[in-house]
Amino acid sequence: KQEVTQIPAALSVPEGENLVLNCSFTDSAIYNLQWFRQDPGKGLTSLLLIQSSQREQTSGRLNASLDKSSGRSTLYIAASQPGDSATYLCAVNPTLPYNNNDMRFGAGTRLTVKP
Amino acid sequence: EAEVAQSPRYKITEKSQAVAFWCDPISGHATLYWYRQILGQGPELLVQFQDESVVDDSQLPKDRFSAERLKGVDSTLKIQPAELGDSAMYLCASSLAPGEMAYEQYFGPGTRLTVT
Repeated sequence: KQEVTQIPAALSVPEGENLVLNCSFTDSAIYNLQWFRQDPGKGLTSLLLIQSSQREQTSGRLNASLDKSSGRSTLYIAASQPGDSATYLCAVNPTLPYNNNDMRFGAGTRLTVKP
Repeated sequence: EAEVAQSPRYKITEKSQAVAFWCDPISGHATLYWYRQILGQGPELLVQFQDESVVDDSQLPKDRFSAERLKGVDSTLKIQPAELGDSAMYLCASSLAPGEMAYEQYFGPGTRLTVT
């Protein structure tokens, strides 16, 4: 069974700092990996999706990398802002041709960016 | 921009009562998912639909939970009777059918259930 772990569980940084969030998974047979943002009491917003054949994806100040063989992904946030404060979750999708999409989530990293 | 709609956003109910949640996926998305997220944890899949058919409900507590998607569009998740341990965020997501475009799932705002 795929297990997804995110470290650290919580992180507090001053505004302007660059930071890295970590995600590890036990089964390297994945189809893709997705990073989400969740604000308190809200739903999930997709940030980046990396296909298993890709090494990284970038969107604005966010960069996600994937090392499938070692079961790791990182989310890099450049020049952090107070508005980046949220919980960040990673999730992995199993390899096709499964009919069901049993996406497995980590518990998330709760990020606080202090002004 | 197309979004997944959910209602209600918040629900408070007493133990042993029935409760229902509604989800309307993005138009054209054949696959619909219901997740439960306990505070401090990641979401866990309860049930997955492909059109109107259940693809996976292995994690759905079938003695009290039921889900349907009669016309293959919107969906209802029901709990009867509710228990204290059901307090959680219930998230709905949708995606294109498996095999198309990388399984990217789009989530609704969720329904926060509190059972007293």
